[in-house]
Amino acid sequence: GQNIDQPTEMTATEGAIVQINCTYQTSGFNGLFWYQQHAGEAPTFLSYNVLDGLEEKGRFSSFLSRSKGYSYLLLKELQMKDSASYLCAAMDSNYQLIWGAGTKLIIKP
Amino acid sequence: IAGITQAPTSQILAAGRRMTLRCTQDMRHNAMYWYRQDLGLGLRLIHYSNTAGTTGKGEVPDGYSVSRANTDDFPLTLASAVPSQTSVYFCASSDSSGAQSEQFFGPGTRLTVL
Repeated sequence: GQNIDQPTEMTATEGAIVQINCTYQTSGFNGLFWYQQHAGEAPTFLSYNVLDGLEEKGRFSSFLSRSKGYSYLLLKELQMKDSASYLCAAMDSNYQLIWGAGTKLIIKP
Repeated sequence: IAGITQAPTSQILAAGRRMTLRCTQDMRHNAMYWYRQDLGLGLRLIHYSNTAGTTGKGEVPDGYSVSRANTDDFPLTLASAVPSQTSVYFCASSDSSGAQSEQFFGPGTRLTVL
């Protein structure tokens, strides 16, 4: 079956670095997406990886290892506004997104 | 209209009633999607449309129907609502249905079926 696993909740301190992990199993693979979702709001796109390696975009970076079925989202210099849920989604062979349940990130001052 | 809109924002519905959730986008995107989001679960795809005039079933299509008469609109209909359809519903669109195609989400409709 198809499955996405990510931690339910993480806590970090303002100004610190946090890494949110995601493992996936899909029928075929056409890339890995990360979205941010603030409470009560819609998900918004953060990153897309299809090749192995690290993609850096400002304070946020995303890593992919296709052989391990593994990705992580790295958030640096955490700010209070980064408190949100982070959704991992893998695109399968039919170009449909399979979503994880999301990781709720709590930032403490 | 800027982006993708949904209506209503929220709704309380009696079981057995028919309900249509509306979704409109002004980005001329070819592909559109309906998801439901429940606590502790990931977004689950209900139906999708890769282009106007075509629709497909997602992971959880039972009890729902869609139509795509034009590029901009993608309504979702619950023919006879049941309490298990209580959820937050998100409509999304993307330029294409292929890889690397970022999905843009509407603000969501919070539906409660009693």
